[in-house]
Amino acid sequence: GEDVEQSLFLSVREGDSSVINCTYTDSSSTYLYWYKQEPGAGLQLLTYIFSNMDMKQDQRLTVLLNKKDKHLSLRIADTQTGDSAIYFCAGNLGYKLSFGAGTTVTVRA
Amino acid sequence: DAMVIQNPRYQVTQFGKPVTLSCSQTLNHNVMYWYQQKSSQAPKLLFHYYDKDFNNEADTPDNFQSRRPNTSFCFLDIRSPGLGDAAMYLCATSRGQGGNQPQHFGDGTRLSIL
Repeated sequence: GEDVEQSLFLSVREGDSSVINCTYTDSSSTYLYWYKQEPGAGLQLLTYIFSNMDMKQDQRLTVLLNKKDKHLSLRIADTQTGDSAIYFCAGNLGYKLSFGAGTTVTVRA
Repeated sequence: DAMVIQNPRYQVTQFGKPVTLSCSQTLNHNVMYWYQQKSSQAPKLLFHYYDKDFNNEADTPDNFQSRRPNTSFCFLDIRSPGLGDAAMYLCATSRGQGGNQPQHFGDGTRLSIL
């Protein structure tokens, strides 16, 4: 199956950009996703990208995909305190999602 | 408005006492999933329904069962909960099983075992 790896923690100052990185092993994932999980809540779909694309922008979020290196990143511009959460990247193998362990983002004033 | 609704948000049960968690959706999606998420871990897929077709993951314990009486509702039954079953249980839905039909999650039910 797919192995997905993420760095575990990221601390960022309010107003700065955050970049969360993810690597995956299986190039047969056709879509890659970013989910946000706030404490005690479910997963909120933030954005997703087709594997043939290399960039997708949605308001403050920019996803970059380097298919050759199997590297995915999520950039959050102008990070706010409400962006503090755990961020999961995931790749699909058919219906099945392979999640990374999640990156805990802490926004400091 | 919440589109994938899980009730209750918190459930406490006793060791060995059967418990049922519920999920409903207003999206009219064909696929419904149940995940188990333990503390500081990624969600782990237990099983899913495509319409009425049930698909169990190979490593899901027999203790976990599911029912989907109609499109909108899906239940997770834990027959004899053990201490290791304490976790957050997440329900998700998707229109289909293709990657361009992403999964949408509810807020979860946190299950505690006494």
